[in-house]
Amino acid sequence: QTVVTQEPSFSVPPGGTVTLTCGLTTGSVSTTFYPSWYQQTPGQAPRTLLYNTNTRSSGVPDRFSGSILGTKAALTITGAQADDECDYYCVLYMGNATWVFGGGTKLTVL
Amino acid sequence: QLQLQESGPGLLKPSETLSLICTVSGVSITSTAFYWAWIRQSPGKGLEWIGSVQKSENVYYTASLKSRLTISVDTSKNEFSLKLNSVTAADTAVYYCVRQSQHYDFLTGGWADVFDIWGRGTMVTVFS
Repeated sequence: QTVVTQEPSFSVPPGGTVTLTCGLTTGSVSTTFYPSWYQQTPGQAPRTLLYNTNTRSSGVPDRFSGSILGTKAALTITGAQADDECDYYCVLYMGNATWVFGGGTKLTVL
Repeated sequence: QLQLQESGPGLLKPSETLSLICTVSGVSITSTAFYWAWIRQSPGKGLEWIGSVQKSENVYYTASLKSRLTISVDTSKNEFSLKLNSVTAADTAVYYCVRQSQHYDFLTGGWADVFDIWGRGTMVTVFS
């Protein structure tokens, strides 16, 4: 069974740039997986950041961007801020009307 | 303003049936522009897509829960529901109801879905 992979944790200094990735245990992620990204702070519902690889959801600042890097989908945060410290999840469309979340990345800003 | 609100029992015993309702306000649940999804999150764990429904005609489930799961729409009440049979402790989670929007991608010729509006979530605990 194919699993969606994300880095369990990542650290970035304030003002720095970080790229989180979303891959597959088998195969490569392409635009036809329509990757989307979500941000979640503890105790809150997730917030939508990006969809269709690189389209920002309404109200999301342009320091959040998406792409395909090699065999993975990627979320890049530029100019990291303290309130970017939270969990980030990707979702991939696996075909046959099924979607699978990655395990999430816990981002620390320090 | 579009809002989704989950409701249902917070405590269940093993083997019971979990029934949750999501009340949608601000948009008609019959709109063909949207699917309506359930997503859950076990304590300290990641998110899991459970299933999606559009009207009552198109229903899709995650394979691991398909044999126990029913998702349906009540258009008269503008709400959709989840029923999960024979629950175990592994079903303990926060359950979110979510609007799922579709965006046509001209480059790929396919549809990009996004879970764009989330309810606040309801905690369900299965314990004996």
